[in-house]
Amino acid sequence: GAGVSQSPRYKVAKRGQDVALRCDPISGHVSLFWYQQALGQGPEFLTYFQNEAQLDKSGLPSDRFFAERPEGSVSTLKIQRTQQEDSAVYLCASSADVSDNSPLHFGNGTRLTVT
Amino acid sequence: DAKTTQPPSMDCAEGRAANLPCNHSTISGNEYVYWYRQIHSQGPQYIIHGLKNNETNEMASLIITEDRKSSTLILPHATLRDTAVYYCIVRVGYDYKLSFGAGTTVTVRA
Repeated sequence: GAGVSQSPRYKVAKRGQDVALRCDPISGHVSLFWYQQALGQGPEFLTYFQNEAQLDKSGLPSDRFFAERPEGSVSTLKIQRTQQEDSAVYLCASSADVSDNSPLHFGNGTRLTVT
Repeated sequence: DAKTTQPPSMDCAEGRAANLPCNHSTISGNEYVYWYRQIHSQGPQYIIHGLKNNETNEMASLIITEDRKSSTLILPHATLRDTAVYYCIVRVGYDYKLSFGAGTTVTVRA
């Protein structure tokens, strides 16, 4: 079946521009996650949704980062006034239900380069 | 979450079994051991997880020591496509977060 889909695959933004990254989770998956992965590092947790509710945004690095999942399916990660340090791969993951130890399934990410 | 320790890199011969070690000496009784791998330019891929019993699926086997302080991921017949960074993660059963470390860069050589 279809996995987690992310778009665009690559995004180049000039410093100061706003960007929006899209995630289409696996159909029916309740939980959705965003991670940030810097070059040569492991993924770092950003935020977590259960259905449309954002239950944890403790990993968002600044108030320029905003995520939403208004109908409990597709999610968008928005970064305002991008800075060079925002350059990274942004990964989305979904799982059926974290309460039963369902594994996370990741998309292939969006590589953001801020120039 | 308990921390894990993995070797930074290892080489394996194609067609041979690859044994990837992981130490998690401070693991708690309700923490599971998860393995993911990340092939270049792709997202992390779930491999297997277990609590205390050994587990096997179509991708790999997970052997957890009796004291649960370490585990080994076994890829039974490594292929060139298994070249990737392998992450060993411990996660509390009810916790939604996965905390990734640096992982082991595994290179399968022909």
